[in-house]
Amino acid sequence: GAGVSQTPSNKVTEKGKYVELRCDPISGHTALYWYRQSLGQGPEFLIYFQGTGAADDSGLPNDRFFAVRPEGSVSTLKIQRTERGDSAVYLCASSLERGGGVETQYFGPGTRLLVL
Amino acid sequence: AQSVTQLDSQVPVFEEAPVELRCNYSSSVSVYLFWYVQYPNQGLQLLLKYLSGSTLVKGINGFEAEFNKSQTSFHLRKPSVHISDTAEYFCAVRNYNDYKLSFGAGTTVTVRA
Repeated sequence: GAGVSQTPSNKVTEKGKYVELRCDPISGHTALYWYRQSLGQGPEFLIYFQGTGAADDSGLPNDRFFAVRPEGSVSTLKIQRTERGDSAVYLCASSLERGGGVETQYFGPGTRLLVL
Repeated sequence: AQSVTQLDSQVPVFEEAPVELRCNYSSSVSVYLFWYVQYPNQGLQLLLKYLSGSTLVKGINGFEAEFNKSQTSFHLRKPSVHISDTAEYFCAVRNYNDYKLSFGAGTTVTVRA
């Protein structure tokens, strides 16, 4: 079946601009995660959704970052007033969290964001 | 909070030779442990995970890992690598009462003929 998809695959923007990154999870997966991977680093957690609500947004670096999942499926990560330090690969993952189990997180290919 | 240390950033290895990738973690609570692989231009893919029970875990593509609680380690091994195993490998942990993964910085494995 279809895996997690992310669009765009690459995004180049200028400092100060607004960007939106989209994630389509695996159909039926209730949990959705955003991670950020900087060059030479492992992915770092940003935010976790269970259904439509953000259950944990402790990883968002500041208030320029915001994410939504209005219908419990597709999610959008929004970055305002982008800075050069925001340049990274943004990864989305989804899982079938049914409570009480440890479900595998399936990752998308990522969106590579470059802020000039 | 937990942290993950992957002790080798780069591991060159010849085809058909064994490989071991080292991972140590620290956490104040019990954790689940994972190894993910990232092939060039692809997303992260789960290799194996340790949840409970036997400390030796077998995964896909001939990989296995051993959980050592006293040494807080979860090293990944493969007895004979192929060119196709060239990739970046990430160790990750997750607290029992949480959902997010904490990753190490990754180990790049380059397999040469």
